[in-house]
Amino acid sequence: GDSVTQMEGPVTLSEEAFLTINCTYTATGYPSLFWYVQYPGEGLQLLLKATKADDKGSNKGFEATYRKETTSFHLEKGSVQVSDSAVYFCALSAQTGANNLFFGTGTRLTVIP
Amino acid sequence: NAGVTQTPKFQVLKTGQSMTLQCAQDMNHEYMSWYRQDPGMGLRLIHYSVGAGITDQGEVPNGYNVSRSTTEDFPLRLLSAAPSQTSVYFCASSYSWGQLANSPLHFGNGTRLTVT
Repeated sequence: GDSVTQMEGPVTLSEEAFLTINCTYTATGYPSLFWYVQYPGEGLQLLLKATKADDKGSNKGFEATYRKETTSFHLEKGSVQVSDSAVYFCALSAQTGANNLFFGTGTRLTVIP
Repeated sequence: NAGVTQTPKFQVLKTGQSMTLQCAQDMNHEYMSWYRQDPGMGLRLIHYSVGAGITDQGEVPNGYNVSRSTTEDFPLRLLSAAPSQTSVYFCASSYSWGQLANSPLHFGNGTRLTVT
């Protein structure tokens, strides 16, 4: 079945460091891929998305490229800020059917000044 | 604009008790769903609905019931709570059920449930 494997955390970085959070997926067909972010005490918010191979999703300085050949969708940011501290979830939506997202386990990022 | 509203924020139940987690959205969204979030397991889909009067099971439906009598509301019922249902529950909705890529999920702020 469809699934997402996400880099385990937690991740602790200094401010302005480079961030990579790995995500790989298993799915039939051509799923859509997402990164969601969860700030403390809140629900999840969509960070970025990509709907087909080689698409690059970007938002707030974060980027992820849909790589079908490696079934990956790694999240990157060139210079993290303290305000980026949150839990990040990789997710996929199957090509057909209802809007059911399959989530990874989440990666907690802490950025220290 | 309220978005997706979940109540209560916190709840403690004893084993065997029943309760209903409320979820309401004011965006006229077709699709609504319930997830549970557990440490090390991410979010798992419990039940979902693609419109009023239509519901279906997700990945972990056992022990939970849902109904969708209106577009706005999608309550989740625990008929006989068990400690294994201790979790954080999230309700989410989207405008279109068939094209999530163009209609992302909007999440509520969650309900933290503890069953003793």
